Amino acid sequence: QVQLQESGPGLVKPSETLSLTCTVSGGSISSYYWSWIRQPPGKGLEWIGYIYYSGSTNYNPSLKSRVIILVDRSKNQFSLKLSSVTAADTAVYYCARIRGSYEPDQHYYYYYMDVWGKGTTVTVSS
Amino acid sequence: DIRMTQSPSSLSASVGDRVTITCRASQSISKCLNWYQQKPGKAPKLLIYAASSLQSGVPSRFSGSGSGTDFTLTISSLQPEDFATYYCQQSYSTPPSFTFGPGTKVDIK
Repeated sequence: QVQLQESGPGLVKPSETLSLTCTVSGGSISSYYWSWIRQPPGKGLEWIGYIYYSGSTNYNPSLKSRVIILVDRSKNQFSLKLSSVTAADTAVYYCARIRGSYEPDQHYYYYYMDVWGKGTTVTVSS
Repeated sequence: DIRMTQSPSSLSASVGDRVTITCRASQSISKCLNWYQQKPGKAPKLLIYAASSLQSGVPSRFSGSGSGTDFTLTISSLQPEDFATYYCQQSYSTPPSFTFGPGTKVDIK
């Protein structure tokens, strides 16, 4: 059974870069998309971006200028870097696996996040 | 960008009630709509994918319907463990992009 575990500093100073790692256990990182999602205190979920195991990425346009997601297949890990952080980036950060499939009758692909990490809290403060 | 809305934003219900939550997309997303349940302090849990497919292990009292822009999550008989916040999420386009709805909090009446 695949499990995900986020790790990284819980406190980051304003203007610095937030760096988190998600370790995949119980399965291979290959053949899936892998995503980061965050949730500010008391608020809803925000998709940050994802990476395919091959290295291709897609980011939320609202964060695209500050986000980099990388994959390390040798370690079965993927990582998030968010630069120039402010207090607004304070949140619980989750990693998740994305599965996708094709609906042949109506000719479309659909995707969903079926496995999630437990989340890690990151506070931006001096 | 595709925007998602949910209604109501919160509701109070009793055990055994039938509960319906609505999600609307700002443009047609075919059936690329997922539903998640989140309890306080926990990660979201996938309930329904592709608008109406029940994720493995999820009780059959949960069901989803809809296509295009309008979608519904129904809990046929609310159980104590169902009190939570529910989010819809669109995953339209290839490669996919994702947007979550603002959430619907279901609490005890």
